[in-house]
Amino acid sequence: AQSVSQHNHHVILSEAASLELGCNYSYGGTVNLFWYVQYPGQHLQLLLKYFSGDPLVKGIKGFEAEFIKSKFSFNLRKPSVQWSDTAEYFCAIGHNNFNKFYFGSGTKLNVKP
Amino acid sequence: KAGVTQTPRYLIKTRGQQVTLSCSPISGHRSVSWYQQTPGQGLQFLFEYFSETQRNKGNFPGRFSGRQFSNSRSEMNVSTLELGDSALYLCASSLGLGTADEQYFGPGTRLTVT
Repeated sequence: AQSVSQHNHHVILSEAASLELGCNYSYGGTVNLFWYVQYPGQHLQLLLKYFSGDPLVKGIKGFEAEFIKSKFSFNLRKPSVQWSDTAEYFCAIGHNNFNKFYFGSGTKLNVKP
Repeated sequence: KAGVTQTPRYLIKTRGQQVTLSCSPISGHRSVSWYQQTPGQGLQFLFEYFSETQRNKGNFPGRFSGRQFSNSRSEMNVSTLELGDSALYLCASSLGLGTADEQYFGPGTRLTVT
């Protein structure tokens, strides 16, 4: 069965620290890859997405993610986090064959001012 | 352009009751998907509707059902509620079918079953 794994459930960082959140998926076919963010009290919103081309994609608010096909990974990074990045982050894959999205269990990021 | 709206925002129900949740997609969007969000489980896909037809279904029991109207608005129904149905139910809309279209999420309906 297809699955998306986010190994870090809760991450605590100080402001200006670098961030990397892991995401791995289990499916060998063609997928579209997404990172969503849910700020406290707000809707889920798209951070960035990857369909094809350059495996390093840039999203909003200084976030980027790298698709490594051989590792089935799509890790999210930010060089220097801010307190306002405190949120829950979800990795998702869009499975083209089944037209379905599969979400990871989420990573809660707490940035200390 | 107005975002995805969901009503009601909060619900408290008793075991055995049924509940109906409503979702209005972004104007022009024809696809509506429903998800159940619980702590530690992330988002679990319930079903997707496009042009009033259910196109995809997740692994949920038959107590969970939905429909979509001609104006793309969608409703989700849960019958014979169980304590484990307590969750945030999210609706997402997109322009079309397929996973290349960005999904826009609503604020969710927080359902508590006592």
